[in-house]
Amino acid sequence: QKEVEQNSGPLSVPEGAIASLNCTYSDRVSQSFFWYRQYSGKSPELIMSIYSNGDKEDGRFTAQLNKASQYVSLLIRDSQPSDSATYLCAVKNQAGTALIFGKGTTLSVSS
Amino acid sequence: EPEVTQTPSHQVTQMGQEVILRCVPISNHLYFYWYRQILGQKVEFLVSFYNNEISEKSEIFDDQFSVERPDGSNFTLKIRSTKLEDSAMYFCASYGSYNSPLHFGNGTRLTVT
Repeated sequence: QKEVEQNSGPLSVPEGAIASLNCTYSDRVSQSFFWYRQYSGKSPELIMSIYSNGDKEDGRFTAQLNKASQYVSLLIRDSQPSDSATYLCAVKNQAGTALIFGKGTTLSVSS
Repeated sequence: EPEVTQTPSHQVTQMGQEVILRCVPISNHLYFYWYRQILGQKVEFLVSFYNNEISEKSEIFDDQFSVERPDGSNFTLKIRSTKLEDSAMYFCASYGSYNSPLHFGNGTRLTVT
């Protein structure tokens, strides 16, 4: 059974701070990793994808992947109130065709 | 930007009735998916569809569920004899190539009374 684990939160940070979101996965052969943002009542929206060990930066977002530790994280710099949402970690392995999602971490950014 | 379109946005049905949820994936995409999300819970994979057949399905996708691509654009999820626990948001998603990201539609909220 493929599992993706996230702390459900809520994670509360003040405006302008760095928010750090973490995710672990159980399937060692996983190859593709994604972070989605979901506002309440809305569909998941892709923020970042990462496929190789190390860091990948896109604007205020940095995804970090460590396959040996089966760990992927998302850093949000200069957090804004509009970043308040649930952040979903999703993993796809080499053999499967489906994304498996974690439960998500709820982020609250206070102004 | 092209998007995945789902109809209806909200469907209310009585227990035991059949419902069909409809999706129009992005036009050049080849892989199609249905996910569901029960209120307050995680996004759960139901089924994937490629080359006009199911490529993978989860334990949730039992005999009461079926999928179809009746023409070149639509992708449907049918739930026969709905149960109260089928109440959820159902998301259609698609992508064009194997490692590209999944694009989600806005979802259909299914309420079974």
